Amino acid sequence: SQKIEQNSEALNIQEGKTATLTCNYTNYSPAYLQWYRQDPGRGPVFLLLIRENEKEKRKERLKVTFDTTLKQSLFHITASQPADSATYLCALDGDSGYALNFGKGTSLLVTP
Amino acid sequence: DSGVTQTPKHLITATGQRVTLRCSPRSGDLSVYWYQQSLDQGLQFLIQYYNGEERAKGNILERFSAQQFPDLHSELNLSSLELGDSALYFCASSVDVGANYGYTFGSGTRLTVV
Repeated sequence: SQKIEQNSEALNIQEGKTATLTCNYTNYSPAYLQWYRQDPGRGPVFLLLIRENEKEKRKERLKVTFDTTLKQSLFHITASQPADSATYLCALDGDSGYALNFGKGTSLLVTP
Repeated sequence: DSGVTQTPKHLITATGQRVTLRCSPRSGDLSVYWYQQSLDQGLQFLIQYYNGEERAKGNILERFSAQQFPDLHSELNLSSLELGDSALYFCASSVDVGANYGYTFGSGTRLTVV
């Protein structure tokens, strides 16, 4: 069955640096890959969507890449700020082609 | 405010009981999704409805059921509750049936079974 892997270890970086988070998946070829931000006790917030035929997508300080050969997506936050501290979730369309399946997320901490 | 409304925000109930969680999707969205989030499991997809019809099922227990009404709001019914059902339950909505649009999540219902 589909498996989504995100680094379970928290990522600590200094303000102003670029944060890079990884999402690997197996046993499936998704048509869509999405990234969400989740703050403690709150619902996930949609950030970016990238399609299987797109290599890269940008939105302000965010950049997502999608490598269907490696079965991997990278999520970059440039010029990171303490307000970017949160858990970031990767999600893929499921085997049924409908609902998203989520990874467990990677916690990012940006220190001043 | 995301536009997706979930009630109640908190629920404390005893084992063996039954509860109903309610969700109103964002205006214009036809799909409603239910997810369960616990500390060790992450976000687990339960079930999806699109314009009143069930479209996809995930790891939803037989003790759990859901429906979407003509006004598009949805309810998730959890019965014969067990301690392990304690979790955050999220509802999300999207405009389409697939994953080609981002989901809008509600703020969740925190269920505690004692």
